[in-house]
Amino acid sequence: EVQLVESGGGLVQPGRSMKLSCAASGFTFNNYDMAWVCQAPKKGLEWVATISYDGSSTYYRDSVKGRFTISRDNAKSTLYLQMDSLRSEDTATYYCARHPLTTRVYFDYWGQGVMVTVSS
Amino acid sequence: DIQMTQSPSFLSASLGNSITITCHASQNIKGWLAWYQQKSGNAPELLIYKASSLQSGVPSRFSGSGSGTDYILTISNLQPEDIATYYCQHYQSFPLTFGAGTKLELK
Repeated sequence: EVQLVESGGGLVQPGRSMKLSCAASGFTFNNYDMAWVCQAPKKGLEWVATISYDGSSTYYRDSVKGRFTISRDNAKSTLYLQMDSLRSEDTATYYCARHPLTTRVYFDYWGQGVMVTVSS
Repeated sequence: DIQMTQSPSFLSASLGNSITITCHASQNIKGWLAWYQQKSGNAPELLIYKASSLQSGVPSRFSGSGSGTDYILTISNLQPEDIATYYCQHYQSFPLTFGAGTKLELK
């Protein structure tokens, strides 16, 4: 069974940093591209970033470029999101999601999400 | 960036009825469209990919259609467990974008 379990969220002050983790199990992690998707309270879904199966390629939405870094440790089957210079508008639930084994990228499995609140 | 316009925002329907949700892309996305279901307090779940391909384990009362810029999600024989918010998402290119969602409620 595919499982994605996020951790590392909480309350953080504006301008500070936070690192999210996503522990993957039930599949061969290093075969799959992975992503982070966020959802602000009572709002819709927004793709944040994607990383290729081997970490060689990364893609970001414009609003997080230069502030967020997606990375992975295939030996630990873990995905990360380093979030720097956090802003109040980054407040959201962050989901770890798996891209399927195709050349195009939708999301076939999602974690349960972790809440990040940016506030003083 | 490709914009996804989803309608309606809210939908009220009765059990056993059929409903349709539409999604319009700002440019041709060549069928690279997925639909997700999100129940209250839960993570989204994939329903349909490549516009009309049903994800494994999803009931056959869910179906998708469309091409070019216009796509439809249809739910037939509405069941209580279908009450949720539904999102479309294109994957023609980065950045990946979602529709704003359609909240389905029981009449």
